[in-house]
Amino acid sequence: SQTIHQWPATLVQPVGSPLSLECTVEGTSNPNLYWYRQAAGRGLQLLFYSVGIGQISSEVPQNLSASRPQDRQFILSSKKLLLSDSGFYLCAWNGGFAYNEQFFGPGTRLTVL
Amino acid sequence: SQQGEEDPQALSIQEGENATMNCSYKTSINNLQWYRQNSGRGLVHLILIRSNEREKHSGRLRVTLDTSKKSSSLLITASRAADTASYFCATNTNAGKSTFGDGTTLTVKP
Repeated sequence: SQTIHQWPATLVQPVGSPLSLECTVEGTSNPNLYWYRQAAGRGLQLLFYSVGIGQISSEVPQNLSASRPQDRQFILSSKKLLLSDSGFYLCAWNGGFAYNEQFFGPGTRLTVL
Repeated sequence: SQQGEEDPQALSIQEGENATMNCSYKTSINNLQWYRQNSGRGLVHLILIRSNEREKHSGRLRVTLDTSKKSSSLLITASRAADTASYFCATNTNAGKSTFGDGTTLTVKP
């Protein structure tokens, strides 16, 4: 069966510090991978998606970047965090755009102080 | 911009009652999905309804879709305290990506 992992679960970082959040998927190959951000009490905002190794599409201009160094690994990064980067970050996967159901990881709660 | 918008934003009911949540969207869709999110957790897929379907059931869940009104509803029958969560609709277009609404927070009181 497939599983998706995210770490860390929570993170408190000072403004201007770097960020690296990691997401890995097990039990499937060549998944579509997604990074979302969720503000408190709101829905999900799609940040990045990837259809393959090294292929990253950005949905909104921002202070973040994403990379996919391996088939089942998706990394969200920032060189210098802003206060506005605080939020709940969710990674998700599915078998491709034809498979609409997405499977979500447990999320990372990021607080930038 | 958000494609789906849920209504109401918050709903509080007693255990055993039915809960109805609505979702409206703006553009034509291929399908619509409902997800559930427990506080501080990831989302869990509940049900998908395609644009050519009008109603779908899964256990205590009933989803309807009215493409002429660009709206969907999620009915949870005989609610339980464990149904307390936020519920989100997500729409998919030909582009394949999902667009999520802001959700309805459901509280079921024992």
